Amino acid sequence: GAVVSQHPSWVICKSGTSVKIECRSLDFQATTMFWYRQFPKQSLMLMATSNEGSKATYEQGVEKDKFLINHASLTLSTLTVTSAHPEDSSFYICSASKVAGGLGGEQFFGPGTRLTVL
Amino acid sequence: AQSVTQPDIHITVSEGASLELRCNYSYGATPYLFWYVQSPGQGLQLLLKYFSGDTLVQGIKGFEAEFKRSQSSFNLRKPSVHWSDAAEYFCAVRSNDYKLSFGAGTTVTVRA
Repeated sequence: GAVVSQHPSWVICKSGTSVKIECRSLDFQATTMFWYRQFPKQSLMLMATSNEGSKATYEQGVEKDKFLINHASLTLSTLTVTSAHPEDSSFYICSASKVAGGLGGEQFFGPGTRLTVL
Repeated sequence: AQSVTQPDIHITVSEGASLELRCNYSYGATPYLFWYVQSPGQGLQLLLKYFSGDTLVQGIKGFEAEFKRSQSSFNLRKPSVHWSDAAEYFCAVRSNDYKLSFGAGTTVTVRA
């Protein structure tokens, strides 16, 4: 159990276009989902935290108008990179948490989405 | 604010030899600590975690980690590595708001 999927696994787009990445919890309900960005050979940086039915909370320095996050259901969160530019090229990873509190707040990670902006 | 330091950027180890990856954390309260492994182009897989109790934690794939509060450390060990253990390893600490802070990672190369 506790499987998280991401779609697409990789995407190439032209500069100026928008790209949507989906994150799904396949066999559990996720009250909280997290979005991370990872540059080559670097660690994961938390971009934002999203709770089902409410607005996402963005980390300092992350442009909320550029990285739109929607958590419309307990099994789906989406990240839309708007007006993408080459510097947005990165590996985006989502994670999902089963319950909001307690020890059950363990995060389960998706396989990641490689975004390349030309 | 919490933080994690992984002092070793890259470690090369012979197949069958032992492996130890270092992790030091900074956190004001009782830390919730994790070790994850990432293969190239993949997401993260949880190896083990420490919340409380026994300070020696057993994980998957033969890994274990020891929590030492006095040293603010949570080092990962494996007695005998396999070629499939070549990957990137991340130590992480979780804050009270359930956010994870990751270390910079350690790349493990396994030579035959």
